[in-house]
Amino acid sequence: DVVMTQSPLSLPVTLGQPASISCWSSQSLVHSDGSTYLNWFQQRPGQSPRRLIFKVSNRDSGVPDRFSGSGSGTDFTLKISRVEAEDVGIYYCMQGTHRPRTFGQGTKVEIK
Amino acid sequence: VQLVESGGGLVQPGGSLRLSCAASEFTFSSFWMNWVRQGPGKELVWVAFINTDGTTTTYADSVRGRFTISRDNARKTLYLQMNSLRAEDTAVYYCSRDGDGHFDYWGQGTPVTVSS
Repeated sequence: DVVMTQSPLSLPVTLGQPASISCWSSQSLVHSDGSTYLNWFQQRPGQSPRRLIFKVSNRDSGVPDRFSGSGSGTDFTLKISRVEAEDVGIYYCMQGTHRPRTFGQGTKVEIK
Repeated sequence: VQLVESGGGLVQPGGSLRLSCAASEFTFSSFWMNWVRQGPGKELVWVAFINTDGTTTTYADSVRGRFTISRDNARKTLYLQMNSLRAEDTAVYYCSRDGDGHFDYWGQGTPVTVSS
């Protein structure tokens, strides 16, 4: 199985400051169809996951533009340009290129 | 898009449970569907996948042979039949749709506890 590794696992941030989460895959996530199936999810406390980013850098509908995704191959990044209080939660990267689909361990974002 | 899971609860080891996921506000029959679970304080783990007409299903190694995913497109409902349950199956179970890639919408989850 493809192992997804996130860093850091805990990220204390100051309101209004930027934040960045890294995600590495044990294999390239470039699919034979040319797409890279790397998604990012947000899970607020007590809620179900919500997809933020699909195929590396595409924001889902309703996701604030302070969230952005980038990367290629095996290295990916989720950035929050200015953290707001509602961004507290756990963020997961997930690959869908290889079967089975696998998630990272999660990065807990909290306010300092 | 609405996905509402039900059927979770407390069950003894070796027991069975059937989860349901009622879909609404979208054309259920046009989308692949999945079950994903999350153990207490743990990360998300994909469990099972089914294509639009139910002819293709895949499972995580940890549940293959014990769990069965199915769907009733007329009832707009996804199912997960769970047999021979183990303590390690304790988790919140989510149904999730595959749209614009994978897992674009999720239900609120239904908790399953396997304990004597």
